Amino acid sequence: GAGVSQSPSNKVTEKGKDVELRCDPISGHTALYWYRQSLGQGLEFLIYFQGNSAPDKSGLPSDRFSAERTGGSVSTLTIQRTQQEDSAVYLCASSHPGQPQHFGDGTRLSIL
Amino acid sequence: GENVEQHPSTLSVQEGDSAVIKCTYSDSASNYFPWYKQELGKGPQLIIDIRSNVGEKKDQRIAVTLNKTAKHFSLHITETQPEDSAVYFCAASHTGGGNKLTFGTGTQLKVEL
Repeated sequence: GAGVSQSPSNKVTEKGKDVELRCDPISGHTALYWYRQSLGQGLEFLIYFQGNSAPDKSGLPSDRFSAERTGGSVSTLTIQRTQQEDSAVYLCASSHPGQPQHFGDGTRLSIL
Repeated sequence: GENVEQHPSTLSVQEGDSAVIKCTYSDSASNYFPWYKQELGKGPQLIIDIRSNVGEKKDQRIAVTLNKTAKHFSLHITETQPEDSAVYFCAASHTGGGNKLTFGTGTQLKVEL
């Protein structure tokens, strides 16, 4: 079956521009997570959606970061006024509640 | 919050030897400990996980052990093969926290012929 799908796979943009990253979770998975992986580092939690509950935004590094999940399925992560330190791989994962998380291959974001 | 430390950062073994990667965690409420394998340009892939009500779990050449008292857990790979070469991450979470994972910093495993 289809796994977690993320787009675009690569994004290069200029400092100060806004970017939108997309995640299509595994069908039927109600939990969706965003993580950030900086070069050579582990993954850092950003935000978590579960069904219709209010999202857990405790990992977002600044108010330039936001995310939405429409209709309980597709999610978009938006970064406004991008900075060079935002360069990283942004990974999305989905799961059934309390079950293992399955990751997409990420979006590699480069800020020039 | 939770803090996960992982060692070593790099590990080189000969094909057929065993590899062991160790992690420690700080939050005694953590009750779920997955291990992920990440190949270049790919997302992390779950290879094995363990919950806090179990001390050991094995799946073919891969095993994980958990010591709740010491807050340690380890990944053991036996009879290593070149295709085991990758970056391995440990993580910890607890169900009360929405299962958001706190990751270690990764171990680059190289299996040499």
